[in-house]
Amino acid sequence: QKEVEQNSGPLSVPEGAIASLNCTYSDRGSQSFFWYRQYSGKSPELIMSIYSNGDKEDGRFTAQLNKASQYVSLLIRDSQPSDSATYLCADNTGFQKLVFGTGTRLLVSP
Amino acid sequence: GAVVSQHPSWVICKSGTSVKIECRSLDFQATTMFWYRQFPKQSLMLMATSNEGSKATYEQGVEKDKFLINHASLTLSTLTVTSAHPEDSSFYICSARPPEATYNEQFFGPGTRLTVL
Repeated sequence: QKEVEQNSGPLSVPEGAIASLNCTYSDRGSQSFFWYRQYSGKSPELIMSIYSNGDKEDGRFTAQLNKASQYVSLLIRDSQPSDSATYLCADNTGFQKLVFGTGTRLLVSP
Repeated sequence: GAVVSQHPSWVICKSGTSVKIECRSLDFQATTMFWYRQFPKQSLMLMATSNEGSKATYEQGVEKDKFLINHASLTLSTLTVTSAHPEDSSFYICSARPPEATYNEQFFGPGTRLTVL
């Protein structure tokens, strides 16, 4: 059973700070991962994908993947109150399915 | 691009009735769509994979006779909750994968909130 673990939070950061969200996964063979943002009452929105070890940057977002440690992270620089949401890490299992973590709730205070 | 719509956005029904939810890919053709269910404060749980022109693949523990899935065209998949009961009340979300998605990036519809009285 493939699993994705996330701390449920909430993770509280002040506006302008860096928010660091983490995720571990159980399947050593997993190759790619996605980060989705979900606002309360809304559906998930894809914000980042990462396939290779190392960092991938897109605007204020940086995804990091460490396959040896089975660890994925998302850094949000210059956090804004509008970033307050639940962030879901998803393992692309290779069988068309995505396995989601339970999500980390991020709160950015003005 | 990669826009997915759902209809209705919310529905309230009486126990024992059936409810149909539509999922459409608006700007791409999707041979595969996915149906998820999300209970309050929980993560998304995949219910089934909908394949155009063939039977859906259901996840373990999901009753295929209760949750009927039809993927009759490359842009439309429907989920029918038959004989709905209060425990079926949930947030149902579909997703689709564009043909150009190299690594199975899935884009979600806005979701349908079902309340069964």
